[in-house]
Amino acid sequence: GAVVSQHPSWVICKSGTSVKIECRSLDFQATTMFWYRQFPKQSLMLMATSNEGSKATYEQGVEKDKFLINHASLTLSTLTVTSAHPEDSSFYICSAPRATRTYEQYFGPGTRLTVT
Amino acid sequence: AQSVTQPDIHITVSEGASLELRCNYSYGATPYLFWYVQSPGQGLQLLLKYFSGDTLVQGIKGFEAEFKRSQSSFNLRKPSVHWSDAAEYFCAVGALSGGYNKLIFGAGTRLAVHP
Repeated sequence: GAVVSQHPSWVICKSGTSVKIECRSLDFQATTMFWYRQFPKQSLMLMATSNEGSKATYEQGVEKDKFLINHASLTLSTLTVTSAHPEDSSFYICSAPRATRTYEQYFGPGTRLTVT
Repeated sequence: AQSVTQPDIHITVSEGASLELRCNYSYGATPYLFWYVQSPGQGLQLLLKYFSGDTLVQGIKGFEAEFKRSQSSFNLRKPSVHWSDAAEYFCAVGALSGGYNKLIFGAGTRLAVHP
């Protein structure tokens, strides 16, 4: 089946620094990818929709200047957490639709971000 | 607006016992429904999905779910639970929003399995 990878799987950074998380579709092309945030023992919250060749669309309440998304190619989307603070510590998960205009998504394994 | 409710935050069952995880959705049209499982520190794995047709759908790992339109439910079942089934289970509904096919997740149900 299709595989979505994320890198790194975990990262620790100091407060005030920026961190980049990569999401790759390994054996299929994805014009759209989704970025989720998950706090411990909570559900997934959609942060933004990443679009190849255009700007990302953000969900209400998500700071677009803090969470920069770049969909550089049909197989790569990146999420950069800028000027990270401890409250940004979370589990970040990306996904890509199995095909255009389908609801079924393939999920990456997630990235654990800890800001100290 | 579309929404998903999973009434049970935490469920504990004995190994070998049957399991039913509840899911209720709110959606105007025929819903696209999913059940995902998440092991600790891992991403989500699709267990099964319902788009149309037979309301009883079979998934991986011996799971099944039944779509009941009259009750707006899509409950997940397994006749005999294994210790490896301990995980977080999420029900989700597809929602067209801003031109994109998005997923709306329930809060999740954490399953513990006693030996």
